[in-house]
Amino acid sequence: KQEVTQIPAALSVPEGENLVLNCSFTDSAIYNLQWFRQDPGKGLTSLLLIQSSQREQTSGRLNASLDKSSGRSTLYIAASQPGDSATYLCAVRGNTGFQKLVFGTGTRLLVSP
Amino acid sequence: GAGVSQSPSNKVTEKGKDVELRCDPISGHTALYWYRQRLGQGLEFLIYFQGNSAPDKSGLPSDRFSAERTGESVSTLTIQRTQQEDSAVYLCASSFYSGTAGNTIYFGEGSWLTVV
Repeated sequence: KQEVTQIPAALSVPEGENLVLNCSFTDSAIYNLQWFRQDPGKGLTSLLLIQSSQREQTSGRLNASLDKSSGRSTLYIAASQPGDSATYLCAVRGNTGFQKLVFGTGTRLLVSP
Repeated sequence: GAGVSQSPSNKVTEKGKDVELRCDPISGHTALYWYRQRLGQGLEFLIYFQGNSAPDKSGLPSDRFSAERTGESVSTLTIQRTQQEDSAVYLCASSFYSGTAGNTIYFGEGSWLTVV
């Protein structure tokens, strides 16, 4: 059974800092990994999708890496801003059977001005 | 529509009543998912629909929960005889399905259910 863990559970940084969020998963048989952000009282917004054959994806100040063999992904946020404050979730999609996403419990990020 | 649409956005119901939650996926998306998120907790998979295939119901927590989908369009999640532990936000998501599972999943804003 796939299990996804995110560390740290919460993170507080001053504006402008670069930061790294971590995601680990127990079963490396995945199709892809997706990073989301969730704002309080809102649904999830997709940030980046990394296919199992890829090593990283970039979008603006965000860079996500994937090391499938070691079961790890990182989300790098450059020059953080208060608007980045949210909960960040990673989710993996298995490559066998039905393709449900298995989510981590998230990292709650607070960027202070 | 432009995004995944869910209704109602908020629902307060009395314990023991039945509730029905609706999801309109993005047009053309054949895959549809329901997840539940209790306050302060992660997302729990409930059910997955893909085209006309039999759905993956492995996440439904009890037989009080059921879901239907009409073709590749609207889905309804029904909770019978609601209990207080059913209080959560119920999130629907959809995606294209190409057979390679490489597609981004898009979520709705959720239906916030409170059982009193």
